[in-house]
Amino acid sequence: GAVVSQHPSRVICKSGTSVKIECRSLDFQATTMFWYRQFPKQSLMLMATSNEGSKATYEQGVEKDKFLINHASLTLSTLTVTSAHPEDSSFYICSAQSGDRHTEAFFGQGTRLTVV
Amino acid sequence: GENVEQHPSTLSVQEGDSAVIKCTYSDSASNYFPWYKQELGKGPQLIIDIRSNVGEKKDQRIAVTLNKTAKHFSLHITETQPEDSAVYFCAASRGGSQGNLIFGKGTKLSVKP
Repeated sequence: GAVVSQHPSRVICKSGTSVKIECRSLDFQATTMFWYRQFPKQSLMLMATSNEGSKATYEQGVEKDKFLINHASLTLSTLTVTSAHPEDSSFYICSAQSGDRHTEAFFGQGTRLTVV
Repeated sequence: GENVEQHPSTLSVQEGDSAVIKCTYSDSASNYFPWYKQELGKGPQLIIDIRSNVGEKKDQRIAVTLNKTAKHFSLHITETQPEDSAVYFCAASRGGSQGNLIFGKGTKLSVKP
C-alpha cells in the first residue's frame, strides 16, 4: 500500500528557533501534499496545500511567512516552523496524494512539536 | 464556511455491542467521506470511506451510510472489541478534492471488556 513517512516523529526546540519537518511518499509520486495541525484533543485543521514545483496555498489565518512549505520533488515536502513559540506546539500531520484530486490522500504518522 | 459536525464526542460501550457515530456536513459539493481511527500519538488511519454515488458500504464489522439529501453520514461498528478503542474522525471533502478534507471534532470510543 501507499506509505507516507514523516520525520522526525517528535521534536523539542527552543523558543525563537526554527524547525523543519519532512514528509515523504515512499512508494508513489505525490503531486499534492497537505499539511494539517492538530492541537491536543482537537480535530485536524488544514494549514496548506502544496503542489510539486508550485507555491503552497495557505488556509485563512495561517501565516505563510511563519510556516514555510517546500515541495521541491514528487516525493518530498517540508514544513519549516520559523521563530517557533510555545503556542506553535502541536501535532503536525501531512498527507500525500498521487494523480488528480479524485484520488485518496494517505497520511503520515505525524510529528509532535514541543516549543520550550 | 464549510463545516462538519460529529456526535457524540465520547462513546462508551460494552465489548460485543455496536457503536454508531454520526456526522453532518455543510458543503453541497462534498463527494468523498472518509472515516479515520486515530490512536494516541499517531496519525489518522483510514478505516472506511464512501463516495457520494453510494448509499452504504460495508467492510467486515464496519459499515458507513450516506444520506446526501440530508447531508448525513454515519459509522457503524458491530461486535466491538477493546482494540476498537480510539478516537474516530469523520471527514468530508472540500468540493471534489479527496485530499482537501474538513474533519469533524472526533469521537472518543471506549470499549469495555
